[in-house]
Amino acid sequence: ELKVEQNPLFLSMQEGKNYTIYCNYSTTSDRLYWYRQDPGKSLESLFVLLSNGAVKQEGRLMASLDTKARLSTLHITAAVHDLSATYFCAGRTGANSKLTFGKGITLSVRP
Amino acid sequence: EPEVTQTPSHQVTQMGQEVILRCVPISNHLYFYWYRQILGQKVEFLVSFYNNEISEKSEIFDDQFSVERPDGSNFTLKIRSTKLEDSAMYFCASSEGTGLVSLFGDGTRLSIL
Repeated sequence: ELKVEQNPLFLSMQEGKNYTIYCNYSTTSDRLYWYRQDPGKSLESLFVLLSNGAVKQEGRLMASLDTKARLSTLHITAAVHDLSATYFCAGRTGANSKLTFGKGITLSVRP
Repeated sequence: EPEVTQTPSHQVTQMGQEVILRCVPISNHLYFYWYRQILGQKVEFLVSFYNNEISEKSEIFDDQFSVERPDGSNFTLKIRSTKLEDSAMYFCASSEGTGLVSLFGDGTRLSIL
């Protein structure tokens, strides 16, 4: 059964600095997803990573996937307050099967 | 932009009562899902639905839960006899079938008293 781990659960970031957060998964995952959740809100899709070496960028966020290491990273460039949220990664073992989520990492950007 | 719509946004129910949560998935999507998130915890899968039947369900989805697509547009989750531990945010999601993104609704916050 697929297990997804994210560490740490909380990260305080200083505005303007770069950070990387990590997502590990336990077995072969067909694809890897990153979602953002603001407090009390829904899950907003950020990235879908489909293959080894995949890299996707949107604004200050860049996600990558290493299927051999079973690791996805989310790199934050020059953190700004608007990026404060909880970021979940999720894996999926089949094209339309269930998403298995990690516990999420809550990012807080301070001035 | 098309979106998944959920109603109500907040439901307060007495323990033991039945509750029905409603979702309107995106119209050309084929796969439908229910997830729940207990406050402060991770998102957990409940059930997936395709071609008018359940395709996968978790151990959370016991006999007290059921899903239905009664009219080709709505997708409902029914909890027959609610328990305190059913209090959570319930998210509906849908996928078009290419295996790409699952889009989530805004959720229904279910509070059991």
